Amino acid sequence: GAGVSQSPRYKVAKRGQDVALRCDPISGHVSLFWYQQALGQGPEFLTYFQNEAQLDKSGLPSDRFFAERPEGSVSTLKIQRTQQEDSAVYLCASSLGGLAGVQETQYFGPGTRLLVL
Amino acid sequence: GENVEQHPSTLSVQEGDSAVIKCTYSDSASNYFPWYKQELGKGPQLIIDIRSNVGEKKDQRIAVTLNKTAKHFSLHITETQPEDSAVYFCAATNAGGTSYGKLTFGQGTILTVHP
Repeated sequence: GAGVSQSPRYKVAKRGQDVALRCDPISGHVSLFWYQQALGQGPEFLTYFQNEAQLDKSGLPSDRFFAERPEGSVSTLKIQRTQQEDSAVYLCASSLGGLAGVQETQYFGPGTRLLVL
Repeated sequence: GENVEQHPSTLSVQEGDSAVIKCTYSDSASNYFPWYKQELGKGPQLIIDIRSNVGEKKDQRIAVTLNKTAKHFSLHITETQPEDSAVYFCAATNAGGTSYGKLTFGQGTILTVHP
């Protein structure tokens, strides 16, 4: 079946522009995570959704970052007034989830590579 | 919060040799430890995972060991092949806690297998 898809795959933005990154999780997956991966580093957690509820946004680096998942499926990560330090790969992952205390495998999308000039 | 340290940062081996990557974690409440392989331009792909109630797990040429007392876990790849060349990440999380399963990753190991 289809895996996690993300679009666009590449995005070049001028400093100060707003960008929107889309994630299509695996159908039926309750849990959705966003991670940020700087060049040569491991992914770092940004935010977590369980269905449409954003239960953890502790990793969002500033109030310029905003994420939503209004219908509990597709999610969008929005970055306002982009800065050069926002340049990174943004990864989305989904898992079947929903069961307390059970760690489900997280399946990652290919990521969106954002370059802010 | 959790902190995961991974080493070595680069590892070069000859085809057929074994490769070992080690990780340590800080949060004793962590109970799930996956390993991901990431190829250039792709997202991380799970290759093996281990839960805290198990000391070792093996899947063909790949094995993972966990020492909860010392808070470290390792990935072992035997009979390496050129297609094993990639970046490998370890991760840790406390499944069932208020972390909601969010993963804390190590810094990654670039594995190169020479034919």
